[in-house]
Amino acid sequence: DQQVKQNSPSLSVQEGRISILNCDYTNSMFDYFLWYKKYPAEGPTFLISISSIKDKNEDGRFTVFLNKSAKHLSLHIVPSQPGDSAVYFCAASWSNDMRFGAGTRLTVKP
Amino acid sequence: KAGVTQTPRYLIKTRGQQVTLSCSPISGHRSVSWYQQTPGQGLQFLFEYFSETQRNKGNFPGRFSGRQFSNSRSEMNVSTLELGDSALYLCASSAGTSGREDTQYFGPGTRLTVL
Repeated sequence: DQQVKQNSPSLSVQEGRISILNCDYTNSMFDYFLWYKKYPAEGPTFLISISSIKDKNEDGRFTVFLNKSAKHLSLHIVPSQPGDSAVYFCAASWSNDMRFGAGTRLTVKP
Repeated sequence: KAGVTQTPRYLIKTRGQQVTLSCSPISGHRSVSWYQQTPGQGLQFLFEYFSETQRNKGNFPGRFSGRQFSNSRSEMNVSTLELGDSALYLCASSAGTSGREDTQYFGPGTRLTVL
């Protein structure tokens, strides 16, 4: 059963614009959330995380928003750059359980 | 610091065979986790080893097993391979001391194809 869902398999944006990647979860026990980026032929790399006690966390061009009531997580990339083109995975965890979404392929066009 | 390495990078097996995958974590890391990635399913957690002991386990059948050596290198074994085992197998290492807030560093994965 997929407790973490990324409903958009792909997203295409213009360079310089905002990229918004979305993630929904069903288990209200999740209290720690992460985003990973994956380039072809490489393993995922950690991007940014957020604890459920916060609703926003920023790191440079990357901001993660958490809406606990809607069980929704989003990653904003501003401004988007061609080098951001990759597959993005969201992950949610509680206790020792971590679940990943299926990923969204972001393409940033020059 | 050298990253996480996985060998082999690609593997082709037939149904019924068994396979062993290897993962060398970042030096000093004591935790190694294994994940299976299939199209449309994202990453699914297999198990985590810390200091040679299995610390956490996902919801996979007993055909999937692993171990960790005293140098923190880890192996994953899949017996009686099925077509559905075709996937990218990723391992991730972390210091293992800060729980789920430890940053995990992933290897490039082993692409297993079962024919």
